[in-house]
Amino acid sequence: DVKVTQSSRYLVKRTGEKVFLECVQDMDHENMFWYRQDPGLGLRLIYFSYDVKMKEKGDIPEGYSVSREKKERFSLILESASTNQTSMYLCASSLGTVSAEQYFGPGTRLTVT
Amino acid sequence: GENVEQHPSTLSVQEGDSAVIKCTYSDSASNYFPWYKQELGKGPQLIIDIRSNVGEKKDQRIAVTLNKTAKHFSLHITETQPEDSAVYFCAASKGGSYIPTFGRGTSLIVHP
Repeated sequence: DVKVTQSSRYLVKRTGEKVFLECVQDMDHENMFWYRQDPGLGLRLIYFSYDVKMKEKGDIPEGYSVSREKKERFSLILESASTNQTSMYLCASSLGTVSAEQYFGPGTRLTVT
Repeated sequence: GENVEQHPSTLSVQEGDSAVIKCTYSDSASNYFPWYKQELGKGPQLIIDIRSNVGEKKDQRIAVTLNKTAKHFSLHITETQPEDSAVYFCAASKGGSYIPTFGRGTSLIVHP
């Protein structure tokens, strides 16, 4: 079974802190994604990566950056956390153009106070 | 870009009833339409998908229909059970990159 793991289930940070959310997949997938999930807004794409060291902006990249140094790991970085970044963050991976199915991690609930 | 509208936002049914969730999309080039189920405390999981060369697909109690002309697709769940209670997301994407655009989700509640 494909497994996507996220480093934390719950995280509480202060305004202005630098925050790292880590995601690891174990199925050698090319594509990795970071989404933000808010009530009534569905899943909004922040960034995605289709290869190591490659990244593309999604629909809401402002205030975020990403890093993909290894194929299995995709990190989301909040350079200076703000209260409006309080949300559920979901990581996903997919095989690429061969298969479009996305496999999601369990999510990280981030609260910025 | 693609825009996916999903309705209703909340759906409450009695156990054994059928449930239907509808989505519309804007980009006629979209050709892959997955449905994801998200249970409480978990990430979304693919439950069924359909490609644009197919009009209907079934898997036990769930089915998806696609009307390319009208640019809408629907999820049908028959004989609903309490374990079907979850948030359901539709999505649309194009071949090549398969970067999906998601609907806003439907919270399905099945009352025993």
